[in-house]
Formats: sequence, structure tokens, C-alpha cells
Amino acid sequence: AQSVTQLDSQVPVFEEAPVELRCNYSSSVSVYLFWYVQYPNQGLQLLLKYLSGSTLVKSINGFEAEFNKSQTSFHLRKPSVHISDTAEYFCAVIRYGGSQGNLIFGKGTKLSVKP
Amino acid sequence: KAGVTQTPRYLIKTRGQQVTLSCSPISGHRSVSWYQQTPGQGLQFLFEYFSETQRNKGNFPGRFSGRQFSNSRSEMNVSTLELGDSALYLCASSFLGQGEQYFGPGTRLTVT
Repeated sequence: AQSVTQLDSQVPVFEEAPVELRCNYSSSVSVYLFWYVQYPNQGLQLLLKYLSGSTLVKSINGFEAEFNKSQTSFHLRKPSVHISDTAEYFCAVIRYGGSQGNLIFGKGTKLSVKP
Repeated sequence: KAGVTQTPRYLIKTRGQQVTLSCSPISGHRSVSWYQQTPGQGLQFLFEYFSETQRNKGNFPGRFSGRQFSNSRSEMNVSTLELGDSALYLCASSFLGQGEQYFGPGTRLTVT
């Protein structure tokens, strides 16, 4: 079975400051890793994914995450946040291969960017 | 391509009633998964359908059921509604059920 731990439920930060949202996972098999973002009253939007290849993945809006297999982590970072980044962020894993089409989510981290 | 669509967006039902939610996946995607999101339990997997067959099921009572049609559209049904069924129900589609999933806007169900 897989599990995901997001270590911070809320992260307040000032605009233009750097931020790191932490995610650790546990799995006895190989997994794919994802970060999703949810704005108020909306569904989840895929922000980043790690399927294979380079362990550092980047989004078009400045977020990046690094897969660290030895530490079983997939932390999300942004060097300078904007007010519009205020949202809830979910880390998720899915088992590699097989026929299990279900994502396992962390509890989410609410990022609050203050002016 | 159009994204995942879900109807209706909002529903208010009374305890004991039943409800049907609908999801249309991204064109070409054959896998549809359903998730329940609540403040207390977070995001929990309900079930996944692939080519009209339920391929995987989460830990929910039998009151929760679903199906998938030949055009990959999916419905989920909840019978004998309870207050605790109040939640945001999210549908996600993917090409084969592995890798990334794309979510719809959700259906907000309120049970009174």
C-alpha cells in the first residue's frame, strides 16, 4: 500500500518570498508522483508530474519539484510567490504499472500568500 | 481538447434520497476515476472504470456505485443518502488509468 504525508497543513508566506511545500511518501513498489493545486470552489489542476527521467521537474508558472528516492520525498518549491499562488496544494502518488487507477493523496497544504 | 465536465455542479438532497452524478472525460481517455473530498477525510478514492468495467474500488459502502458507458462517460450513484455523504465529488480521466489524471470541476453535494 502507498501513503503520502504532507508535513505542513498551512504555510503563510509574504509575496515574492520563496516557499517549499513538503511531501513524503511510503510505498513498497515504484510510484509516479504528482502535485495538484486546488483553487477555491474548483477541481484539482495538475501542476507537476514525475513519471521517469530527470528527477527535477518544472511547471510553466515557476514551481519545481525534485524526486528524491532515497528520502522518499517530492517537495514543491517556488523561488518567488505571487498572491495568485494562494491555493491548496496536494501531493499524490499512483502505483507504477498494474491496473490500479487510483491516486493516493496527502491531506493538502494551504498556501496563503500575503501582500 | 475540452476538459473533464461534470454535471450538475451543485445538488441539495434530503437524507434517504438517491442521487446520480455524471462525468464526461477528455476525448480519447478510457479511464474514469471518482473521488470524494471532505474537510475531515480529504480526498478518497471511490472507484475506477476502464472500458465499461469497474477495475478498482475504494473502501466505501455498497450504497456508492457507478458505471461507464461505451463512450467512456461515467455516472456514479449514491442511494439512501446520509448526512455524511455531503462532499465534493470529483471525477478524473486518464488515457489508460496510469500516469496523470485530469480532474473535472466537481459536484458539490449537500445532504440535509
